[in-house]
Amino acid sequence: EPEVTQTPSHQVTQMGQEVILRCVPISNHLYFYWYRQILGQKVEFLVSFYNNEISEKSEIFDDQFSVERPDGSNFTLKIRSTKLEDSAMYFCASKGGSSEAFFGQGTRLTVV
Amino acid sequence: AQSVSQHNHHVILSEAASLELGCNYSYGGTVNLFWYVQYPGQHLQLLLKYFSGDPLVKGIKGFEAEFIKSKFSFNLRKPSVQWSDTAEYFCAVNAGSGGYQKVTFGTGTKLQVIP
Repeated sequence: EPEVTQTPSHQVTQMGQEVILRCVPISNHLYFYWYRQILGQKVEFLVSFYNNEISEKSEIFDDQFSVERPDGSNFTLKIRSTKLEDSAMYFCASKGGSSEAFFGQGTRLTVV
Repeated sequence: AQSVSQHNHHVILSEAASLELGCNYSYGGTVNLFWYVQYPGQHLQLLLKYFSGDPLVKGIKGFEAEFIKSKFSFNLRKPSVQWSDTAEYFCAVNAGSGGYQKVTFGTGTKLQVIP
């Protein structure tokens, strides 16, 4: 069964550093998403991406965040200058036309 | 904007007990509804979904959910839980049919099944 894969599974970074979280969506999917889940809290939408541009973004997705799909397969989330409160599990998801979203295993980001 | 509320934050049941987790959504138009499960240390997995048709949908592992449009509800049920059902359950909604619409999650219900 096709699946969304994310790397790394766990990343530890120092406050102020840049991190890039990587995702390989399901190959024929068109819509891509990033969500995050702070420990003990609900899953929150960050951004959706379609046709090489952002379709929608939440209030959380401020100027320190960016997404891109550099090579037609990877879908990345960059956090420019990490803060302690960015520590969370980050989930990538992809979706076909009218199907449900498929989620990756997540990257646990720890900012120290 | 769409929103989802889950009434139970933490549920503790004994094995073989019946389960019902409440979910209500807020959105005036067509919606797709989902229940996702997150086992400890694992990613989100789809349990079941409702797009259209029969409002009683059956999912994996014996779970089912009923879409009641008049009540804006999509409650999850299982007649007899097992210890392996211990997990967090998220109700989710996305507006419209198809397209890029995001999925909005409820706050989740932690289910603990005692052997």
